[in-house]
Amino acid sequence: GAGVSQSPSNKVTEKGKDVELRCDPISGHTALYWYRQSLGQGLEFLIYFQGNSAPDKSGLPSDRFSAERTGGSVSTLTIQRTQQEDSAVYLCASSLVTSGDYEQYFGPGTRLTVT
Amino acid sequence: QKEVEQNSGPLSVPEGAIASLNCTYSDRGSQSFFWYRQYSGKSPELIMSIYSNGDKEDGRFTAQLNKASQYVSLLIRDSQPSDSATYLCAVTRTGTYKYIFGTGTRLKVLA
Repeated sequence: GAGVSQSPSNKVTEKGKDVELRCDPISGHTALYWYRQSLGQGLEFLIYFQGNSAPDKSGLPSDRFSAERTGGSVSTLTIQRTQQEDSAVYLCASSLVTSGDYEQYFGPGTRLTVT
Repeated sequence: QKEVEQNSGPLSVPEGAIASLNCTYSDRGSQSFFWYRQYSGKSPELIMSIYSNGDKEDGRFTAQLNKASQYVSLLIRDSQPSDSATYLCAVTRTGTYKYIFGTGTRLKVLA
């Protein structure tokens, strides 16, 4: 079946502009995760959703970052007033999260470049 | 102390050898454990999951979990140059579905 999809695959924006990154999870997956990975670095947790609610937003770096998920499916990560330090690959993952199955699958990522 | 620790490497092994990758975690109540492979410029790909103590084998890969000692390892038998990648260990936190990732071990398999 279809995997996790993300759009756009690449985004170049000017400092100070707002950007929206989209994630479409695997059909039926109830949990959805956003991570950030800077060049040569590990995965930085941003937020996760269980259904439409976000039990843990602790990883959002600042109030310029927000995310929502509607209909228990698609999620959007919004970065307002982008800064150069926001440049990174933003990865989305989803998980079924039923009893005994917590495997998480990643999308291809969105490479964000802030100039 | 980091919640999930991995040696950053690089770990270099000759082709055909066994590569052994290790991961330790600090939360004694952690419940689910995962190994991911990440090629340069690509997103992480799930290799193995393990939930109970002992070994779990899948092809050339074996995951080993020891909850008493709080470590999980990944063995890759008959290593191939195509196995060269960064291997990420992930653990779910007690009571949540939040995953904590290690920073990864870079593996180089030498032809």
